[in-house]
Amino acid sequence: NAGVTQTPKFQVLKTGQSMTLQCAQDMNHEYMSWYRQDPGMGLRLIHYSVGAGITDQGEVPNGYNVSRSTTEDFPLRLLSAAPSQTSVYFCASSYLGTGELFFGEGSRLTVL
Amino acid sequence: DQQVKQNSPSLSVQEGRISILNCDYTNSMFDYFLWYKKYPAEGPTFLISISSIKDKNEDGRFTVFLNKSAKHLSLHIVPSQPGDSAVYFCAASAGLGGGGTSYGKLTFGQGTILTVHP
Repeated sequence: NAGVTQTPKFQVLKTGQSMTLQCAQDMNHEYMSWYRQDPGMGLRLIHYSVGAGITDQGEVPNGYNVSRSTTEDFPLRLLSAAPSQTSVYFCASSYLGTGELFFGEGSRLTVL
Repeated sequence: DQQVKQNSPSLSVQEGRISILNCDYTNSMFDYFLWYKKYPAEGPTFLISISSIKDKNEDGRFTVFLNKSAKHLSLHIVPSQPGDSAVYFCAASAGLGGGGTSYGKLTFGQGTILTVHP
């Protein structure tokens, strides 16, 4: 089972560039989310989705866009990268209402 | 405002002894709590959870205790093993425990690095 797959694993961007972090899950989970992990801050929710066509903001949504056109995919778009977006990004999914998230392996992003 | 806090950045324990990881929360709407474990270069994995209608949940070597009046939960690992060395995150949600509409949105603490020495 692939579970939750994130690509790329590593990325270096220059300030102002845009990019998309890909996330796909094969468990037919309704709920998908993106977190960022920063030292001393734990995991903070960026955006989440409860199903295809439905997305909402989390705790730290500024500078990021998401869409959910299929159950399986939930890409995270950085529109104009800033050094403050240097972080490790995790995609996670679950069945609705369980809280037992399945995480991808993470994507380490550096913005210069 | 950090609604879920793990005030100990690190904990060091001898193999075979008990590890106790602590977590405090401020939001009284939280009614479902979880612990996740994370190894380097991997995503977090779910470990154990507890609903606010309980004060204890046990799964093998892992036990989670919830003190609602103190807004405090703890994870006990007995006996600790070197393979338990990892970062442990506590997380909380509002609405999961009572069949509400939280969907699965979790608020995480900062994490505690556990090192178990052989």
